[in-house]
Amino acid sequence: EVQLVESGGGLVKPGGSLRLSCAASGFTLSSYGMNWVRQAPGKGLEWVSHMSTYKYYADSVKGRFTISRDNAKNSLYLQMNSLRVEDTAVYYCARDPGSSSWYMSHWGQGTLVTVSS
Amino acid sequence: SYALTQPPSVSVSPGQTATITCSGDKLGDKYACWYQQKPGQSPVLVIYQDGKRPSGIPERFSGSNSGNTATLTISGTQAMDEADYYCQAWDSSTFYVFGTGTKVTVL
Repeated sequence: EVQLVESGGGLVKPGGSLRLSCAASGFTLSSYGMNWVRQAPGKGLEWVSHMSTYKYYADSVKGRFTISRDNAKNSLYLQMNSLRVEDTAVYYCARDPGSSSWYMSHWGQGTLVTVSS
Repeated sequence: SYALTQPPSVSVSPGQTATITCSGDKLGDKYACWYQQKPGQSPVLVIYQDGKRPSGIPERFSGSNSGNTATLTISGTQAMDEADYYCQAWDSSTFYVFGTGTKVTVL
């Protein structure tokens, strides 16, 4: 069974940093496209970043966020620097169903990031 | 940048058909998919590649995509279908794009 478990969220001050983790089980993470998607309180879904053969970022986070993975730990990460109040959201880890599929078949439960002074 | 627009809300009576639209420039040239999100829960994929249903998704969910509009149809809507629905497509410049979201209320 595919499982994605996010962790690392919390309260951070504007300008601060945080690293989110997504532990995958039931499949080999490096064989699939993986994404971070966020949802601000009461708002819609916003794609943040993708990693497969390539790394892609939304314009709103480019230059501040870095996606990476540790194959040995079967885990995905999102390093978030220079955080802003508007980065406050639940961050979901989500998996593409296969190569070049460009949609998300499996989602984690999310981790809340709050950026506030 | 590429954008997808949905109506903010749709109301439907139990047993009736709910239709949710998703509009974007030449959306019919891309694949569209749909996610269902209930309060406090993670999104769930209900339609992919315009009209395919993942395993476990009821047959009352169907989708189509042509021209500038993708459509999610819920036939015989049930109270459990009350949720937010998001369309999503992939664009070569904007990558993964989500629609603005539609709240479906079953009255």
